[in-house]
Amino acid sequence: EPEVTQTPSHQVTQMGQEVILRCVPISNHLYFYWYRQILGQKVEFLVSFYNNEISEKSEIFDDQFSVERPDGSNFTLKIRSTKLEDSAMYFCASSGGVEAPSSTDTQYFGPGTRLTVL
Amino acid sequence: AQSVTQLGSHVSVSEGALVLLRCNYSSSVPPYLFWYVQYPNQGLQLLLKYTTGATLVKGINGFEAEFKKSETSFHLTKPSAHMSDAAEYFCAVTLFSGGYNKLIFGAGTRLAVHP
Repeated sequence: EPEVTQTPSHQVTQMGQEVILRCVPISNHLYFYWYRQILGQKVEFLVSFYNNEISEKSEIFDDQFSVERPDGSNFTLKIRSTKLEDSAMYFCASSGGVEAPSSTDTQYFGPGTRLTVL
Repeated sequence: AQSVTQLGSHVSVSEGALVLLRCNYSSSVPPYLFWYVQYPNQGLQLLLKYTTGATLVKGINGFEAEFKKSETSFHLTKPSAHMSDAAEYFCAVTLFSGGYNKLIFGAGTRLAVHP
C-alpha cells in the first residue's frame, strides 16, 4: 500500500542552524501539507501546497519557514534559523489524486520527524 | 471558526470493555469529521470519516463513530477493547477553503488497555 515517508526520523540541531525536513508523498497525490505537534500539544496545521505554490499557511508559518517540491517527488520543509520553540514533531501529509479537491479527501500522514533544537 | 474538543486526555479500559472516546466540534458550516489513530513511533492513520449520508460511520479495526448534529458530537466507540488498540486518538474537522483542505485537530486522547 502506498505510504508517505519522511526523513530523518529524528533531527537534533543547534539554535540558529538551518534544517531541512524531507517528505516523499504518495506518488499520484497533488496536495501536500505540513503539520507540527509540540510535545503535549495539538497537531497544528502549518502549510498546504498545490501546483508548486503555497495555497494556505498558518500564523506559525512565518518567514523562517519555506516549502519546496524540488524534483517532483520530494516535498521539503526548511527552517532557516531554528529556535528552541521549533522543537516538535513535524508531519507531512498528502491527498487528492485528482484535479478537483474535496473536503472529503483523506490526508495520508507520514511517520513524522522529531526535531530537537538545543 | 472550526474547533474540536476531545474530553479526556487519557482513557483507560480493560481488555474486552467498551471503548468510548469523546469528541465535540464547533463549525459554522456542515462539518466533515475524521478520527485518526497514532500508534507509538508511527504517523497518523485514518480510522474513519464522516462526510455526508449515514450518520453512523464504520471504520477499521472495529471502530465506529456517530455524527450527532444536535449534540455537535462525533464520539468514537468500539464494543470490545483489544490490547492492540492502545494508542493516541485524534478527532479532526476539515476546513475547506478556496479549494484546499486543512485539518483542525483536537488535543488527542491516549487510550490505555489493561489485561
